[in-house]
Amino acid sequence: GAVVSQHPSRVICKSGTSVKIECRSLDFQATTMFWYRQFPKQSLMLMATSNEGSKATYEQGVEKDKFLINHASLTLSTLTVTSAHPEDSSFYICSAASITDTQYFGPGTRLTVL
Amino acid sequence: DAKTTQPPSMDCAEGRAANLPCNHSTISGNEYVYWYRQIHSQGPQYIIHGLKNNETNEMASLIITEDRKSSTLILPHATLRDTAVYYCIVRVGGGNAGNMLTFGGGTRLMVKP
Repeated sequence: GAVVSQHPSRVICKSGTSVKIECRSLDFQATTMFWYRQFPKQSLMLMATSNEGSKATYEQGVEKDKFLINHASLTLSTLTVTSAHPEDSSFYICSAASITDTQYFGPGTRLTVL
Repeated sequence: DAKTTQPPSMDCAEGRAANLPCNHSTISGNEYVYWYRQIHSQGPQYIIHGLKNNETNEMASLIITEDRKSSTLILPHATLRDTAVYYCIVRVGGGNAGNMLTFGGGTRLMVKP
């Protein structure tokens, strides 16, 4: 149990385009999901906290208009990177909090912006 | 949330126990100790967590000192697949799903044949 999926696992896009990443909790409902970003050889950095049916809470320094988060249901949250640029290339990882308060992570999405 | 201190790297021989230490001297009474690991290019994997009692599951054991200022994650029989970065994180628990995790540098465990 406690499986979280992400789609796509890898995406390459041109500069200026938008990319949507989906995060799904497959066997549990998650009122709260989290989005992280990880650059090479660095640790995970929290970008935002997403609550079902309400606006996401963004960490300091993360542009909410650039990283659009939608948590439309108890099993799905999406992150859209708008007008992507090469500096947005990173490993994006989501997690979902179960009823026991433990966070389970997705496999990650590697974004490369050319 | 309390800050944690872990050694940046450790080696372990395959088949032996891997003991990963973590210091969290400023931990509060309502903060749990969580352990995750991240294998290269994958999302973190939950291992175990505890409040004050020692815990064991199919993956590992967690030993928390009586004063709760430090803990040790034990992988009883390390395999090559256990090579990963191990993160010790303390955070408030108690059913509030909105409590975030703050990742530090972790310990890079290398299991060698």
